[in-house]
Amino acid sequence: NFMLTQPHSVSESPGKTVTISCTRSSGSIASNYVQWYQQRPGSSPTTLIYEDNQRPSGVPDRFSGSIDGSSHSASLTISGLKTEDEADYYCQSYDGDNLVFGGGTRLTVL
Amino acid sequence: QLQLQESGPGLVKPSETLSLTCTVSGGSISFGYYWGWIRQPPGRGLEWIGSIYYSGSSFSNPSLKSRVIISIDRPKNQFSLHLSSVTAADTAVYYCARHGGGGWGRGTLVTVSS
Repeated sequence: NFMLTQPHSVSESPGKTVTISCTRSSGSIASNYVQWYQQRPGSSPTTLIYEDNQRPSGVPDRFSGSIDGSSHSASLTISGLKTEDEADYYCQSYDGDNLVFGGGTRLTVL
Repeated sequence: QLQLQESGPGLVKPSETLSLTCTVSGGSISFGYYWGWIRQPPGRGLEWIGSIYYSGSSFSNPSLKSRVIISIDRPKNQFSLHLSSVTAADTAVYYCARHGGGGWGRGTLVTVSS
């Protein structure tokens, strides 16, 4: 069993770039695919990244995902920040057949 | 475009069974993929409940496993969640979703209260 740890909150200015980390407590981050979800206030989550770095159709290329085996972490990078990016972001991976979610990161764009 | 829609009662009494259905449109549930249920208690993060493969094999969160049944109805393009012996702690917005870059439903709030 493992946990995924995310920063509780991050903030950045419009037009800048922000990176949200997701650290796996044990085992290799590369062992199982990582997904990222965006949840705007009052809305359901949407899939931003799947299989570490793949974007579903319709997701802008301002959003990118990566993994770093040396730090046991996955990252979501958002470039050219817009006010509409203000939302909660969740990472998710697999522990065998079980899904594991990170606790979520609140992004404030100010 | 794939769309998912949850349906079911918004109010369930303690000790009873919560039953929800997810209807998939814009794609076949039999085309593969895993289909899952996720919930979000008010003001909190996401919790995975369980998932089912198009073939019918299912698996669930170990913390809920004894109370969860997930089934699939391929002709209707639906899959369902049954959560037994509910308590107030099961009050949450319940979402259905497709694994692997798929979509999510809009969610349905289920309140457990007498």
